[in-house]
Amino acid sequence: AQSVTQLGSHVSVSEGALVLLRCNYSSSVPPYLFWYVQYPNQGLQLLLKYTSAATLVKGINGFEAEFKKSETSFHLTKPSAHMSDAAEYFCAVSAITGGGNKLTFGTGTQLKVEL
Amino acid sequence: KAGVTQTPRYLIKTRGQQVTLSCSPISGHRSVSWYQQTPGQGLQFLFEYFSETQRNKGNFPGRFSGRQFSNSRSEMNVSTLELGDSALYLCASSDLAGVEEQYFGPGTRLTVT
Repeated sequence: AQSVTQLGSHVSVSEGALVLLRCNYSSSVPPYLFWYVQYPNQGLQLLLKYTSAATLVKGINGFEAEFKKSETSFHLTKPSAHMSDAAEYFCAVSAITGGGNKLTFGTGTQLKVEL
Repeated sequence: KAGVTQTPRYLIKTRGQQVTLSCSPISGHRSVSWYQQTPGQGLQFLFEYFSETQRNKGNFPGRFSGRQFSNSRSEMNVSTLELGDSALYLCASSDLAGVEEQYFGPGTRLTVT
């Protein structure tokens, strides 16, 4: 079975400060990992994905994440927060089960950006 | 390309009724997955369809069912609605049979009263 744990259900940063959202995974096979963002009353938008290529993955809107196998982590970072980054962020791991594609999500981290 | 579309966007039903939600994937995508999102349980996988066949099913009761048509459009049905079925139902599509990113629609907000 695969799972992800997101540490911190709420994170608050000042505009211009570093954003760090934590995700740890558990997987019996090499994982495929994703970060999604959800704005109020909207669906999920893919920020970035790790699929066993480069361990440092760059995504949209200045976000990036680093896959660290030794720490079973895939933390999301952004050097400088912007007000528009306020949203909920979900880490997810993908599993091939029954030949199909299934995402298992973490519980989400609500990011608040303050002036 | 147009994104994933879901209809209706909002729905209010009464306990005991049934409901059908629709999802149109991105053109060319053959895999459609459904997820339920609630404040208490978070995002949970319901099922996945690929080429009209259900490949995966989550841990939901039999009241939740789905199907996929030859044009890859998908519907999910919930019978005998319960208050706890109130949720945002998200549909996602992907273009390959393997592990690829899924593209999500805006969701259908179902309220059961």
